[in-house]
Amino acid sequence: EDQVTQSPEALRLQEGESSSLNCSYTVSGLRGLFWYRQDPGKGPEFLFTLYSAGEEKEKERLKATLTKKESFLHITAPKPEDSATYLCAVGPGAQKLVFGQGTRLTINP
Amino acid sequence: GAVVSQHPSRVICKSGTSVKIECRSLDFQATTMFWYRQFPKQSLMLMATSNEGSKATYEQGVEKDKFLINHASLTLSTLTVTSAHPEDSSFYICSANGARENNEQFFGPGTRLTVL
Repeated sequence: EDQVTQSPEALRLQEGESSSLNCSYTVSGLRGLFWYRQDPGKGPEFLFTLYSAGEEKEKERLKATLTKKESFLHITAPKPEDSATYLCAVGPGAQKLVFGQGTRLTINP
Repeated sequence: GAVVSQHPSRVICKSGTSVKIECRSLDFQATTMFWYRQFPKQSLMLMATSNEGSKATYEQGVEKDKFLINHASLTLSTLTVTSAHPEDSSFYICSANGARENNEQFFGPGTRLTVL
């Protein structure tokens, strides 16, 4: 069964305090690992797609990496506006996504 | 690019009524659209996948007669919750995928349904 597990469930950081979010997955055939950001009461906002182990992508203070079993979302010097729930999803088949439970990130000023 | 809209953003209805939610891809043609449901502090659960001009594929446990999906064109899909009950209250989110977007799904802003 395809599965995605994210940790930690919730994370509080001080502004400027860097950290990483983890996404572990088991999937029959990986067709992409996706990171989304979701603000309360809104739909997920696309951040990154990673397709193969060793791949890395960056956007502002965020950097996503991928291995054969997990992905990390590194947040460098975060700001309060980075507070959100970060969702990880994998595509085991054409277009169908399986989501993790998400990590609720809070950045205190 | 890759903007998806939903309407309405919020709806309150009485138990037993039907509610229709629209999902539109604004700047691309969506070969496939997806409908998700999200309960508070939980992740997204896929309800169904729809392709333009064909019947939707429902996930296990989702009642197809209760959640009617119509994908009438390459830019519009609708979800109708029939005979809604309080337990159907949830956050419904659609997403769309186009040919040039590979596997990437782009999500709408969601619709908050409250059934009294």
